[in-house]
This record gives sequence, C-alpha cells and structure tokens, in this order.
Amino acid sequence: SYELTQPPSVSVSPGQTARITCSGDALPNQYTYWYRQKSGQAPVLVLYKDSERPAGVSERLSGSSSGTTATLSISGVQAEDEADYYCQSADNRGTYWLFGGGTKLTVL
Amino acid sequence: QAQLVQSGSEVKKPGASVKVSCKASGYTFSDYYIHWVRQAPGQGLQWMGWINPRTGAAKYAQKFQGRVTMTRDTPITTGYMELSSLTSDDSGVYYCARDPITVTYGMDVWGHGTTVIVSS
Repeated sequence: SYELTQPPSVSVSPGQTARITCSGDALPNQYTYWYRQKSGQAPVLVLYKDSERPAGVSERLSGSSSGTTATLSISGVQAEDEADYYCQSADNRGTYWLFGGGTKLTVL
Repeated sequence: QAQLVQSGSEVKKPGASVKVSCKASGYTFSDYYIHWVRQAPGQGLQWMGWINPRTGAAKYAQKFQGRVTMTRDTPITTGYMELSSLTSDDSGVYYCARDPITVTYGMDVWGHGTTVIVSS
C-alpha cells in the first residue's frame, strides 16, 4: 500500500533551520499538507498546497515540493517549535488520504 | 469562530462498537468534508475516512473498510463515526476535522479528540 515516509526525528539548535522531508511516489501529482502536534493537543494545519501558510502561521515556516519529496523548513528555530510534525497527502487518484509517520523536532 | 466539539471518552469491551460524534458550529456545515483521524497511544496519525455532509457520501481507508461507518445529521450539524468489532488495537484518540469541499486547503479545524479504550 502507498506510504509517506518521514524521518522519525530531527534535532537542531536554536536559531538554526530545521528541514523535515516527506517522501511518496504520488507527491508529483498530489499536494502536501503539514500539521504540527504538540503533546496532548490536537494537530494544527501549518502549511497547505505544498507551501501556503494559513493565517496566523509564522513566516518562519515554509514548504516546497520537488519530485517525490516535499520539505517543511523552519528558519530561526525556537523552543516553541518543538513538536511532532506530520505530512499528509493522497494517493495518485486523490481518493485515499494518508499521513506520514511523523517527525519529532527537538530543539537542542 | 468555527469549532468542532466531540463526544466524551468511551470504554468498550472487545467485540463491541463505538460511536463518536462531532458537533460543528460557526460555519456552514455542508461546505466542508468531515474527516476522522485516529491516533493510537504514542503513535502517529492515521486517516480513517471522510464524509461529505452535503451528499452523505463517504470514503473509507482500506484498513477500516467493513468496520467503519461515517454518517451525519445535517439539521443538527453533527457528524458521526461508528467503529465495530473493536479490539485492543482500536484504543486511542479519535479526532474529527473539517476540510473545504470546493477549495484545496487541508484540515484547518480539528476537534479536541475522543479517547476510546478497548479493554476486557
């Protein structure tokens, strides 16, 4: 079955740029969405259509997609960015949605 | 503002069914899909399916087909997710989330989650 693959963890020092990747064979044909989830809370949409930011989301977050890999970048990482980040997309037909396994961002 | 309020925690025995509700307010109910997403303890997010409140049509993830039913009651702007033949592997937090039907935006409003515990 189709899967989205994310690294389990990413660690960066404060002020650096964190990059979280999401790989999937259908990504050239489907948008990627990104969600942030802090411990004990519901997920929050932070990027849609690969690179668009919803209102209220920090400009430090940006996204890109090329070929079978989408990337979420967080510049000037702060302690408040520490969370689990999930990518989400769909299969080639856009019928079935799915999430990546999630990436735990640790701010050192 | 748009809000999704879910029903309270449930404790079920193996083999039973559970029905979780998701009450929408602050927006036009029929303009947004309702998705259901499960999160097992310490695990990631798992998409279960969506329902189109306008038509009642639903699409389920293959993993849950045959065991899940998503419905809606439009007059009371509420969506439901019923999962049958429960096992301990079904324990977790179940979220509902909305997603616009006519524009590409993603799941921008989520419920607070409903904890389901399956235990004998």
